[in-house]
Amino acid sequence: GAVVSQHPSRVICKSGTSVKIECRSLDFQATTMFWYRQFPKQSLMLMATSNEGSKATYEQGVEKDKFLINHASLTLSTLTVTSAHPEDSSFYICSAREGQANSPLHFGNGTRLTVT
Amino acid sequence: QKEVEQNSGPLSVPEGAIASLNCTYSDRGSQSFFWYRQYSGKSPELIMSIYSNGDKEDGRFTAQLNKASQYVSLLIRDSQPSDSATYLCAASNTGKLIFGQGTTLQVKP
Repeated sequence: GAVVSQHPSRVICKSGTSVKIECRSLDFQATTMFWYRQFPKQSLMLMATSNEGSKATYEQGVEKDKFLINHASLTLSTLTVTSAHPEDSSFYICSAREGQANSPLHFGNGTRLTVT
Repeated sequence: QKEVEQNSGPLSVPEGAIASLNCTYSDRGSQSFFWYRQYSGKSPELIMSIYSNGDKEDGRFTAQLNKASQYVSLLIRDSQPSDSATYLCAASNTGKLIFGQGTTLQVKP
């Protein structure tokens, strides 16, 4: 089945620094990937849709200059949290689908970000 | 605001019983519906997808969809302690998945 790999699984950084998270589709090509964020005991909130070769589409309320998304190839999307603050501490999960728009998303293992 | 609603629970059932999880959605244009299971600290894993009205069975799991009522459900037969997790309902219209807040299921031995 479709496998999505996410790295790193856990990262701790100091306030004001930037963190890059990678998301790879291992056995399929993904023209579109999705980035979600999940706070404790809450549901997944869609942050942005990453489009290969073009700009990402951000959901309302998500700062595009703070959460930089790059989708340079059909198998790799990156999310960079710039100038991280403690309130950015969360579980970030990427996802992709192998087939058509109505097929299910497959999720990476997530990245637990802690900003101190 | 397109929403997917679930009762957060916890829903507690004894081992071997049937667990019934429910979900409603507000976007009538939604075409695809999914149930994911999420263990604490882990990412969601797909259990079922359903696209047309009626029931869809896969092993111990049965998904039910009623588009007229904008209602999706998941039945888990012969519940096992390993089924204890948070179950997320998701709906999709334009390809983006919108998730409910999840229902925590506890299966007690």
